Amino acid sequence: QSVLTQPPSVSGAPGQRVTISCIGSSSNIGAGYDVHWYQQLPGTAPKLLIFGNSIRPSGVPDRFSGSKSGTSASLAISGLQAEDEADYYCQSYETSLSGSVFGGGTKLTVL
Amino acid sequence: QVQLVQSGAEVKKPGASVKVSCKASNYTFINYGISWVRQAPGQGLEWMGWISPHNGNTNYAQKLQGRVTMTTDTSTSTAYMELRSLRSDDTAVYYCARVSSGLDKWGQGTLVTVSS
Repeated sequence: QSVLTQPPSVSGAPGQRVTISCIGSSSNIGAGYDVHWYQQLPGTAPKLLIFGNSIRPSGVPDRFSGSKSGTSASLAISGLQAEDEADYYCQSYETSLSGSVFGGGTKLTVL
Repeated sequence: QVQLVQSGAEVKKPGASVKVSCKASNYTFINYGISWVRQAPGQGLEWMGWISPHNGNTNYAQKLQGRVTMTTDTSTSTAYMELRSLRSDDTAVYYCARVSSGLDKWGQGTLVTVSS
């Protein structure tokens, strides 16, 4: 089990807004470490979607947004599109492990 | 454009070792760390460790300590990940990724299959 907890799955209809949570603790997100988010389309390598909690790399649509509060973070996707169907992962640093950790991943289904 | 190109798929027997390469291009190799991440079939991402090409400093995931070694060759802008004493649960796709703010560029992945 990962120290960062994500829901296994979320779903939404085209055009809707969904959020994916990443729940950590005082030894990772709550300790002030940044959260990054990745999108992994089927059969491909992950792609950086959000870094530094809320910053979109160049080329990532503004439909994707990230936030962090306390010991948790969230990824929001608005105006859902079929192409958004993918696995999403959060990442942060865990002090007890002295290393980076990923959340367990969330599968987004566009209905 | 920044590229990380990894070596091809490997099939190994339990107890053997594997060494995966990751050749970087179109950026200054020593200015960015390289992380290795693996993904078992149908599973999530697992961070394996990090190396600084600038000075060779490493940080390995605790569960892999003693079995993994990450190195770089700055003359060819190539990073390497060696995993020893392979077990069946090491079967996975292994990715290298450039460390910036987050892992901003990824290799295409290398499938390592451990089977007798």
